[in-house]
Amino acid sequence: AQRVTQPEKLLSVFKGAPVELKCNYSYSGSPELFWYVQYSRQRLQLLLRHISRESIKGFTADLNKGETSFHLKKPFAQEEDSAMYYCALSGIKAAGNKLTFGGGTRVLVKP
Amino acid sequence: DGGITQSPKYLFRKEGQNVTLSCEQNLNHDAMYWYRQDPGQGLRLIYYSHIVNDFQKGDIAEGYSVSREKKESFPLTVTSAQKNPTAFYLCASSPRDRGSGTGELFFGEGSRLTVL
Repeated sequence: AQRVTQPEKLLSVFKGAPVELKCNYSYSGSPELFWYVQYSRQRLQLLLRHISRESIKGFTADLNKGETSFHLKKPFAQEEDSAMYYCALSGIKAAGNKLTFGGGTRVLVKP
Repeated sequence: DGGITQSPKYLFRKEGQNVTLSCEQNLNHDAMYWYRQDPGQGLRLIYYSHIVNDFQKGDIAEGYSVSREKKESFPLTVTSAQKNPTAFYLCASSPRDRGSGTGELFFGEGSRLTVL
């Protein structure tokens, strides 16, 4: 079975401070990991995926297979980063793009 | 305007009644999904369909039913057998194959169902 755990329900940081959202997963094969974000009154949308190795809106995430983690980081948080963040895993290729989501972390960036 | 449309946005029903939530997409995606979103539990997969006339149970299918008669449409029925139906329901779509897509799901705005 595949599982995604986000241990923090709420992260509150000041503007300009670093922010790190933790994500741990369990999966026996080679997973693909994603971060999705939901801003206030907007749809849930893809933020970044590990295979792209890209930085989006200043966020980066590295897949650590040894620790089975995919933590999301940003060195200097901005107020517009306040949102709900979900880590997600896609496993078996035959299942197409079926995703398993974590419980979510709400980020609040204070001025 | 391309995308996924869910309706209604808000729905109130009495206990024991079935209710159907609509999901339509004009992105020409083969795959469609229904998730349930509860506070602290994230999104849990109810049903998914990778092609017309075929669908599979997700992790919490009990008390729900779906149909996929057209590529564009994937309605979800919340039946009276669902013990805790009050929730926020999200529909999503994607290209079917990982190779033809990026693993990205495109979500609707959601439907909030409240059972009184």
